[in-house]
Amino acid sequence: DAGITQSPRHKVTETGTPVTLRCHQTENHRYMYWYRQDPGHGLRLIHYSYGVKDTDKGEVSDGYSVSRSKTEDFLLTLESATSSQTSVYFCAISAMSGTSGPSSYNEQFFGPGTRLTVL
Amino acid sequence: GIQVEQSPPDLILQEGANSTLRCNFSDSVNNLQWFHQNPWGQLINLFYIPSGTKQNGRLSATTVATERYSLLYISSSQTTDSGVYFCAVENSGGSNYKLTFGKGTLLTVNP
Repeated sequence: DAGITQSPRHKVTETGTPVTLRCHQTENHRYMYWYRQDPGHGLRLIHYSYGVKDTDKGEVSDGYSVSRSKTEDFLLTLESATSSQTSVYFCAISAMSGTSGPSSYNEQFFGPGTRLTVL
Repeated sequence: GIQVEQSPPDLILQEGANSTLRCNFSDSVNNLQWFHQNPWGQLINLFYIPSGTKQNGRLSATTVATERYSLLYISSSQTTDSGVYFCAVENSGGSNYKLTFGKGTLLTVNP
C-alpha cells in the first residue's frame, strides 16, 4: 500500500458537466500520474506531474486538465465531460531512487481507481 | 513511442497448471513492471524487473533487456490468479519516468 487514495470512487454525470477527480498521497512522492483504462487499450497516460505546479501532457490529454497546488494532491478535471470520457481512471505515484538511467529505481504504484460514467 | 506487445491476449487454465506470459517491447527500457489486475479492478504490483530474474512464491519473472522481452511464469495456478496481467515499460530515451502499458493478458483459472 503506497498510501494513495482516490475520490470519488464512482461517479455518474451528464454530458457537458465539469468533473474533478482527486488523487491524494501520504508519502511525499514527487511524481504523480493520471491514467485511463478502457477495454482493448490497457492503461494510457493522460497527464503527469513532476512537482508542485509542474505538469505535462501524456498521450491522451485532450479534454483533460490537471493541477497540483501541493505535493499530496493531484487533481484531474474534465471541463465539459463527454461520453468518450467514460472510463476507469487510475492515479499513480512513482517511488524512485532519485537517480536516472539504467541504474535508477522507479517503481509505480496505483490507487484504487475511479469509475466515471458520462451519460 | 515505444510499443509493448503482450501474448497471449487470453489464457484459460485448469487449477494447478503452469503458464508463461510474454511481453515484447520495441526499444531499450530503464524500467519494466508486471502488474496483476484482480477481478475487483485493483492493480497489484508483482515485479519491478528491468533486467534479470526474480521469484516471489509461485510467480517468477525474467527480463532479457538486450533481446527486448520479459516473461512472467505462474506455477501451480490457483483460481485467485485470475485477472488481467499487464506489462509496463519506461523507455530509456524518455523522461519523467512515464510508463507505457501493454494491452494485457486475461487469465482465467478454472477450479
